[in-house]
Amino acid sequence: DAGVIQSPRHEVTEMGQEVTLRCKPISGHDYLFWYRQTMMRGLELLIYFNNNVPIDDSGMPEDRFSAKMPNASFSTLKIQPSEPRDSAVYFCASSQGQGFLHSTEAFFGQGTRLTVV
Amino acid sequence: SQQGEEDPQALSIQEGENATMNCSYKTSINNLQWYRQNSGRGLVHLILIRSNEREKHSGRLRVTLDTSKKSSSLLITASRAADTASYFCATDPAYSSASKIIFGSGTRLSIRP
Repeated sequence: DAGVIQSPRHEVTEMGQEVTLRCKPISGHDYLFWYRQTMMRGLELLIYFNNNVPIDDSGMPEDRFSAKMPNASFSTLKIQPSEPRDSAVYFCASSQGQGFLHSTEAFFGQGTRLTVV
Repeated sequence: SQQGEEDPQALSIQEGENATMNCSYKTSINNLQWYRQNSGRGLVHLILIRSNEREKHSGRLRVTLDTSKKSSSLLITASRAADTASYFCATDPAYSSASKIIFGSGTRLSIRP
């Protein structure tokens, strides 16, 4: 497997534009996580899915952010409209399982560096 | 919100020395993991320790877990220049039926040649 694949690697957009980040998890992994990393706030968990179902979106900063997972091999994180404070590196990660009995490591993509000007 | 806090925030040591990083967390956990991040790259998993384990080894890495103190430590022995990176602890909180991975603020480790 090629690992977790994110696209694009870099995105520069103007304030107010819609931004869509894409993620292909590792085949067979049941969990998919979206994180945002900034110098000020570190690594923040935005949302995660289990078997394509959103489980916890309490980390999504505001209604401008939305995430979908239409099937086991694809997820998107959308920001509409984008603002300069959304500038960050966005990571997608996947894992086989979580919880006490089934905990496994998370595999991360290379991230998408988003700059909103 | 962040569950874990690493200490120190930054650490600079001579090549060959041992590096110790600490992590404290707030709630009961199912497991704790350590990850490494090289500048501009994604995170790479190092080691996972479950809540019923107290110590684990992997190569030059040694992780301890003290659930009574809600803390963990990562020891890297015989450090190398390639160990220069940021290190994060991550927890899977046990307070909810929904499992997730929450990261701490990280320790920036620099190895001087």
